[in-house]
Amino acid sequence: DTAVSQTPKYLVTQMGNDKSIKCEQNLGHDTMYWYKQDSKKFLKIMFSYNNKELIINETVPNRFSPKSPDKAHLNLHINSLELGDSAVYFCASSRAGGPYEQYFGPGTRLTVT
Amino acid sequence: KQEVTQIPAALSVPEGENLVLNCSFTDSAIYNLQWFRQDPGKGLTSLLLIQSSQREQTSGRLNASLDKSSGRSTLYIAASQPGDSATYLCAVSLTSGSRLTFGEGTQLTVNP
Repeated sequence: DTAVSQTPKYLVTQMGNDKSIKCEQNLGHDTMYWYKQDSKKFLKIMFSYNNKELIINETVPNRFSPKSPDKAHLNLHINSLELGDSAVYFCASSRAGGPYEQYFGPGTRLTVT
Repeated sequence: KQEVTQIPAALSVPEGENLVLNCSFTDSAIYNLQWFRQDPGKGLTSLLLIQSSQREQTSGRLNASLDKSSGRSTLYIAASQPGDSATYLCAVSLTSGSRLTFGEGTQLTVNP
């Protein structure tokens, strides 16, 4: 009965590779997010989708491309990985149209070597 | 630009103590404020959400207050236990369905 799930949990890869992280929520929420937590544990928004439409796109390199095939899924594809991309990436979801809680996934720890 | 600050950065207390964690934000026009708990190597667990029209929310031993005009929130933990040890994060949003802006967290250690 996992609410927000992410795969993989850990991802170790070399510089220059392309990788994807998948996120799924079974809460029936309309809005999904990607956050990045850096080595100093600071969490920052990257993207937000509402009903498969991009609504927030922070100043993120265009090597990062989110894709939402349906409102229950929001995947993150990263091209040409760099050392600085190493971080924990969290997916979250919430209902739309009100002051609703955001629910977070367990995170994906990406290590670029 | 909204900025969120949490004080203290770290706190160590003996078991049984009541404690207060502080959160301040620069733009008082928030939509809601959410307190989270993060255990090492884990995701975020939502503890309490306070809507902008509310002054406080309670859940068990936790009580969160909100003073929008002064840009402050506090999380009160009563009768702390070792299991409360974690990093506590405060986050605010400006509109419905919008990004959360996080503070850097308070790392709490409750010693048996």
